[in-house]
Amino acid sequence: GAGVSQSPRYKVAKRGQDVALRCDPISGHVSLFWYQQALGQGPEFLTYFQNEAQLDKSGLPSDRFFAERPEGSVSTLKIQRTQQEDSAVYLCASSLNAGVVDEQFFGPGTRLTVL
Amino acid sequence: DAKTTQPPSMDCAEGRAANLPCNHSTISGNEYVYWYRQIHSQGPQYIIHGLKNNETNEMASLIITEDRKSSTLILPHATLRDTAVYYCIVSYNAGNMLTFGGGTRLMVKP
Repeated sequence: GAGVSQSPRYKVAKRGQDVALRCDPISGHVSLFWYQQALGQGPEFLTYFQNEAQLDKSGLPSDRFFAERPEGSVSTLKIQRTQQEDSAVYLCASSLNAGVVDEQFFGPGTRLTVL
Repeated sequence: DAKTTQPPSMDCAEGRAANLPCNHSTISGNEYVYWYRQIHSQGPQYIIHGLKNNETNEMASLIITEDRKSSTLILPHATLRDTAVYYCIVSYNAGNMLTFGGGTRLMVKP
């Protein structure tokens, strides 16, 4: 079946531009996560949704980062006024249930390069 | 969540068993041990998890010491496609966020 998909796969932005990254989780999955992965490092948590509710946004690095999941399925991560330090791979993951032992399924990521 | 310590890199000959260690000496009683791997240019992939008992699935085996302070992921017959970064994570449950460390870069060589 279809896995988690993300678009675009690659995005180049000029410093100061706004970008929007899309995540299509596996159908029916309740939980959705966004992670940021800098080059050569492990993924770092950004934010977590349970259905449409954003339950944890403690990992968002600044108020330029905003995420939403208005209908409890597709999610968008928006970065305003991009900076060079925002260059990274942004990973989305979903899991079937919430609050239980459940594997997370990851998408391929969006590689953002800010010039 | 408890912190984990893994060697930064390991090599393994193709067809041999790959044994990847992980130390998690501060793990608490209700924290699980999870293993994920990340092949180059892909998202992480779940491998296996366990609480106290050893676990085995079609991909790997997980051996957890009796005191739960360390564990070993075993790939019984490593192939070139197993070349990846392997992450050991401890968490109350994977329904919450995962805290990735640096992982172990496993290189399987012909």
